[in-house]
Amino acid sequence: NAGVTQTPKFRILKIGQSMTLQCTQDMNHNYMYWYRQDPGMGLKLIYYSVGAGITDKGEVPNGYNVSRSTTEDFPLRLELAAPSQTSVYFCASENRVNTGELFFGEGSRLTVL
Amino acid sequence: AQSVTQLDSHVSVSEGTPVLLRCNYSSSYSPSLFWYVQHPNKGLQLLLKYTSAATLVKGINGFEAEFKKSETSFHLTKPSAHMSDAAEYFCVVSSPSGNTPLVFGKGTRLSVIA
Repeated sequence: NAGVTQTPKFRILKIGQSMTLQCTQDMNHNYMYWYRQDPGMGLKLIYYSVGAGITDKGEVPNGYNVSRSTTEDFPLRLELAAPSQTSVYFCASENRVNTGELFFGEGSRLTVL
Repeated sequence: AQSVTQLDSHVSVSEGTPVLLRCNYSSSYSPSLFWYVQHPNKGLQLLLKYTSAATLVKGINGFEAEFKKSETSFHLTKPSAHMSDAAEYFCVVSSPSGNTPLVFGKGTRLSVIA
């Protein structure tokens, strides 16, 4: 059982480049989340989705976009990367039907130079 | 609406002494509550969860937490700290019967002194 798979694990971008962080879960969870974590800080919610075709902004959505065309996939798109987007990104899915427990991907460390 | 407040951003204890990390919550629905731990440069790991069963919840590595509805609290405790407990701890509230995203606390950094 793969759980939540997040790619890539590491990436270096130049200012102004774009990229997509991929996130896939195989647990049929409706709720999925993207967080960023800056050094020494807590998690900040970027976007979330309560099911296929439905997405909503979190606390820090500027500079990002998401889509949820299937239950399994929840990619995060960075357009026109900026140094302020240097962070570790975590994708998670939630077992909302039963317990609300979160399942995390391993994280993606992004550096924008 | 729901929210969670971790009352201490940093807690420092000596090895072998008790640990108390405090968490208060608010929720419009019957909440589920969680504690997650994050060791340096690692991902998040579930420590324990409360989902409307027993109010005293036991987790991994000797941690436990008690759900107190009257105090809207879910404090994390451990009788005796170990050096390996040094990490960041996050309290999380979810409302499975609602339609809102779960909410993370800002985290408490636990330091353990030899």
